[in-house]
Amino acid sequence: EVQLVESGGGLVQPGRSLRLSCAASGFTFGDYYINWVRQAPGKGLEWVGFIRSKTYGGTPDYAASVKGRFTISRDDTKDIAYLQMNSLKTDDTAVYYCCGQQPLGYWGQGTLVTVSS
Amino acid sequence: DMQMTQSPSSLSASVGDRVTITCRASQGVNNYLAWYQQKPGKVPNLLIYGASTLQSGVPSRFSGSASGTDFTLTINSLQPEDVATYYCQKYDSVPLTFGPGTRVDIK
Repeated sequence: EVQLVESGGGLVQPGRSLRLSCAASGFTFGDYYINWVRQAPGKGLEWVGFIRSKTYGGTPDYAASVKGRFTISRDDTKDIAYLQMNSLKTDDTAVYYCCGQQPLGYWGQGTLVTVSS
Repeated sequence: DMQMTQSPSSLSASVGDRVTITCRASQGVNNYLAWYQQKPGKVPNLLIYGASTLQSGVPSRFSGSASGTDFTLTINSLQPEDVATYYCQKYDSVPLTFGPGTRVDIK
């Protein structure tokens, strides 16, 4: 059974940093792009970014709204992906989902990040 | 930047009705278009990819079609369990933009 489990969410002050983790099981993690998608309270889905599989270079790409502040990485030896979020803003408050496949066939349950003073 | 629009933003229909949702891309996406269903309080679920290919396990009352940069999600015979918000997403190139969503309720 495919599982993606996010962790690391919580309450953080504006300007601070937070790192989310996404632990995968049930599929060949290294073969897949891993995406991060967020959903602000009561709002729609927003693609945050992805990291390609090593076959396609293992490089990340980001939405304009987070570029330069967020960094996506992966450790294929541990089947874990990370979302490092720096210089957080109140607008970054959202549930963050980790998603596998392209398009997004595998979804985690999400982790809530609240940016507030 | 590339824009994805959806219409209508919400609709209410009766059980058994045929429901159509439209997604329009501001530029061509080569049919790299997916549809997702998000039921209230739940995680989104992939319904259709490649504009018209049904994801495994998705009921056959769902279908997708494309005409240029216009894409359509059709629900034949709406069921109570189809109450959800539906999103389109382009995945041909970054950014992988989502549409704003269409909320579907039962009348």
